[in-house]
Amino acid sequence: ETGVTQTPRHLVMGMTNKKSLKCEQHLGHNAMYWYKQSAKKPLELMFVYNFKEQTENNSVPSRFSPECPNSSHLFLHLHTLQPEDSALYLCASSQLRRGDEAFFGQGTRLTVV
Amino acid sequence: QQQVKQSPQSLIVQKGGISIINCAYENTAFDYFPWYQQFPGKGPALLIAIRPDVSEKKEGRFTISFNKSAKQFSLHIMDSQPGDSATYFCAASSYKLIFGTGTRLQVFP
Repeated sequence: ETGVTQTPRHLVMGMTNKKSLKCEQHLGHNAMYWYKQSAKKPLELMFVYNFKEQTENNSVPSRFSPECPNSSHLFLHLHTLQPEDSALYLCASSQLRRGDEAFFGQGTRLTVV
Repeated sequence: QQQVKQSPQSLIVQKGGISIINCAYENTAFDYFPWYQQFPGKGPALLIAIRPDVSEKKEGRFTISFNKSAKQFSLHIMDSQPGDSATYFCAASSYKLIFGTGTRLQVFP
């Protein structure tokens, strides 16, 4: 295991539901990330948090709402999603240095029905 | 300019053969070029990485070749094994990782 834990591993939700994805890192890192992985597309960076502060939002729709209460925990709150939002959502963490290794969790496989 | 172009999309190699995956980038600010390996049901894991001050880095059967002037880098897997079957992503970073589209490698016995 990489030291980055994501829950749940699988999630099926309706378009009117509200759910949250959770990520926890045990590596003492100070930067955390949400990525979206869809079939045949590059890993898409969604959000970046450095020292609990959001430093990047890559034009992500407002139906995705991140929360970082401390440097070890990261949440992604989901509401009124669309079927095209179905994907693998990956959390990663790293030290806040240029070119430092990012450690990924196993991801949450999200299906929106 | 933030893109990293990766090819091929899929690769089939016989056991013992050499697997080669290529990537190209545009942004000259990138200064860290990692390769990630992803098995089904798992998140990507760092395989090997290089910085632009060297042209080659080797770790066991895995080698990165880096051509700074051409803005290209490649992953070579020597003596490919069935256990190497996975999806490989190149990436480039200045302060955040930009990933290629991935290459699905299948190594047949």
